Parts: sequence; structure tokens; C-alpha cells
Amino acid sequence: NAGVTQTPKFRVLKTGQSMTLLCAQDMNHEYMYWYRQDPGMGLRLIHYSVGEGTTAKGEVPDGYNVSRLKKQNFLLGLESAAPSQTSVYFCASSYPPPFNYGYTFGSGTRLTVV
Amino acid sequence: QKEVEQDPGPLSVPEGAIVSLNCTYSNSAFQYFMWYRQYSRKGPELLMYTYSSGNKEDGRFTAQVDKSSKYISLFIRDSQPSDSATYLCAMRVNRDDKIIFGKGTRLHILP
Repeated sequence: NAGVTQTPKFRVLKTGQSMTLLCAQDMNHEYMYWYRQDPGMGLRLIHYSVGEGTTAKGEVPDGYNVSRLKKQNFLLGLESAAPSQTSVYFCASSYPPPFNYGYTFGSGTRLTVV
Repeated sequence: QKEVEQDPGPLSVPEGAIVSLNCTYSNSAFQYFMWYRQYSRKGPELLMYTYSSGNKEDGRFTAQVDKSSKYISLFIRDSQPSDSATYLCAMRVNRDDKIIFGKGTRLHILP
């Protein structure tokens, strides 16, 4: 049982390049989330989805786009990467209420923008 | 005032000691309280989940919530080097709500 799988695990981008981070979960979770984690800032919600075909903005959505074409996948896109987007990105998933007792996180993607 | 405050540490304690990790919060509407453990270069994993005030015990771990003081704690008994990690407190108003995370406390258990 893989849980939440994130690819790639590491990536170095040049300023202005684009990339897509993939999150896949095999727990049939309805809800999915993208966070970034920076030293001293904690976990900050970028975008989230409450079901296939839905997306919504979180706390820090600027510079990112997302898509949820399939229930098990949640994609995070950076159209034109900036050094400020250097971070560790975590995907998480959960059941909808009343069974969402917490989130299951992936192992993260370490992104460096130079 | 930040919604959830957590001392970043690091906190270093000898093996076998009792560890106390704490968070304070400002929103009195929070009802669900969680503790996540995050090992280096890994994602957070849910450790404890509690509702409203009181204590919950799971093995060496005890979560305590004091809603009157807006204060939650995680106690680790007989601490082990494998407990060395960052511990994040988290909370939400209701199950429809997104989870608000503390910034985490780094804990080192010294052999």
C-alpha cells in the first residue's frame, strides 16, 4: 500500500522554467492538498481539491496552478519558476467529513530554483 | 497574534526522560487537535488526534488539551533516540475546516 506518492523527489530549475509536480494516492481519498514548507514559515497551503474536477486556492496560491482530472492524482504546476519558489513541497490527502481524521502526507519534493 | 504558536526549539533531552511539547492558540473555536511527527526529509505523519478538552494516551504518548487556557501538550515518556524528529501541532474548528499547523518543534533525544 503506497499511500501518497510524489514525483519527482528532487529537482533543480532555472528561473523562468516550468515544471509539474505529480501527486498520486491509492487510498480513494476525496480531498487532496498541496503545501510548501520553508524554514521558519511552517506548512503553508497552496491549493486544494475537494473532489475530481475541483480546485480551490489556499493561503499562498500565486505563481502556481493545479489540476485534478482524476480522483487519485493532483498536479501542481509552476509556469515560470522564481527563486522564491525554492522550497519543499508536500502533497496530502484525506477522506471528506466526517471521516477526515487528519491528512496523509507524501515524502515531499525538494525544489531549488536558481 | 498568530493563530497557532509553537516554540521551534531545538529541544535536547537525554534518553529516558519525559518530554513535554506545547502549543498555544488564539481561536477559541478550535475543537479538533492533532500532533504530527516529521522525520528529517520525510512528510509529516499523524501521531495523535483528539477532540475537545482532556487527555488521550497511546503507548508512550499522551496528548493533553486545555481549552480554557488555549494550550495543548504532547508528553513522551521513556524517550528514545528514535523519537528525534520535528513535532507539529495542528488544529481545526470542525471537520469541514482545513487544518492549521504550528511551525513545529525540533526534538533531539541524546543517547
